[in-house]
Amino acid sequence: DAGVTQSPTHLIKTRGQHVTLRCSPISGHKSVSWYQQVLGQGPQFIFQYYEKEERGRGNFPDRFSARQFPNYSSELNVNALLLGDSALYLCASSLYGGGNTGELFFGEGSRLTVL
Amino acid sequence: AQSVTQPDIHITVSEGASLELRCNYSYGATPYLFWYVQSPGQGLQLLLKYFSGDTLVQGIKGFEAEFKRSQSSFNLRKPSVHWSDAAEYFCAVGNNQGGKLIFGQGTELSVKP
Repeated sequence: DAGVTQSPTHLIKTRGQHVTLRCSPISGHKSVSWYQQVLGQGPQFIFQYYEKEERGRGNFPDRFSARQFPNYSSELNVNALLLGDSALYLCASSLYGGGNTGELFFGEGSRLTVL
Repeated sequence: AQSVTQPDIHITVSEGASLELRCNYSYGATPYLFWYVQSPGQGLQLLLKYFSGDTLVQGIKGFEAEFKRSQSSFNLRKPSVHWSDAAEYFCAVGNNQGGKLIFGQGTELSVKP
């Protein structure tokens, strides 16, 4: 079975541009979460979506937005890119709700460089 | 405040030696605890998890971790390290909703031949 897939794997943008990152969860998983990992740090939670609804949001500015589609795939959008947005963006899928062990399954990530 | 602390930023051990990576957490509810490993340029792979039951949990690749509620700790151990274990290790805490995990800063493990 395929794991979590993310695209693109690498991309370079300039300040002020917009970027869209895509994620497909593991088959059967209905929850998708996004994380930002700046070099040398642990991942930071950005969003969680379940059944197309936002279920959690981290401490990120409104330039960051996301959505989940009926097939449970997800997009992360970042507007007005800043140099500090350069990072590895990780998508994770999981089960959701009671009985869940809380485990997240991560994709390989999309590495964004902002020049 | 909810947080995870990994006191050691970088550890170097000799191949075949034992390993212990430290993790302390602060979490208001019943913690679900995880250790993930990340190789350079890769995503995160789950090593092991704890959410209830036996406080000593076994994971993949010969790793184990012990949950100590009184010390708010969840240290990762391996009796004999292999060169292929060189990577970044992250401790994380969350709940059973499977969405928001709080990660520590990570511990980079180097293995000497």
